[in-house]
Amino acid sequence: GAVVSQHPSWVICKSGTSVKIECRSLDFQATTMFWYRQFPKQSLMLMATSNEGSKATYEQGVEKDKFLINHASLTLSTLTVTSAHPEDSSFYICSASLWEGTDTQYFGPGTRLTVL
Amino acid sequence: EDQVTQSPEALRLQEGESSSLNCSYTVSGLRGLFWYRQDPGKGPEFLFTLYSAGEEKEKERLKATLTKKESFLHITAPKPEDSATYLCAVQAYSNDYKLSFGAGTTVTVRA
Repeated sequence: GAVVSQHPSWVICKSGTSVKIECRSLDFQATTMFWYRQFPKQSLMLMATSNEGSKATYEQGVEKDKFLINHASLTLSTLTVTSAHPEDSSFYICSASLWEGTDTQYFGPGTRLTVL
Repeated sequence: EDQVTQSPEALRLQEGESSSLNCSYTVSGLRGLFWYRQDPGKGPEFLFTLYSAGEEKEKERLKATLTKKESFLHITAPKPEDSATYLCAVQAYSNDYKLSFGAGTTVTVRA
């Protein structure tokens, strides 16, 4: 149980284009999902908290107009990187908690984004 | 601000050579301390949650312990498949279930 998937697992795009990453909880409903990014040899940095049916909460320094998050259902959250640039190249990982008020986050396999 | 410091950065072990990883933390009101394992190019895999000082949890060759200022992850008689980066994270009561991660300890176990 507690399986989280992400799609795509990797994507290469041209500078200036937008990329959408999906995060799904496969065997449970997730009221809250989290989005992280991880640069090589570094740890995970929280970008935003996504709650079903409401606006995402972004961490300080994360541009909400650049990283659009939508949590339309209890099993799906999406992250859209708009007008991507090479500096946005990173490993993006989502996580989900089993139910609201539960502390343990289960992580997806990650999406490798490369912007040329 | 929550702070998590992991040491050492890297650990090279011979198969069967037991060792410990350290996670020191500063947090205002600890809700939980988490250990994850991350393989290259993959998302973190949940290992343990510890809630209070004195608590211990075990899973196969791994054992996690918690004090008021730090946590240890003990690896007993490691095997090459235990090679990974081990991440420690804390969650504060005041922080809406957000996790603050340490930089991780990369463990390499040689056969």
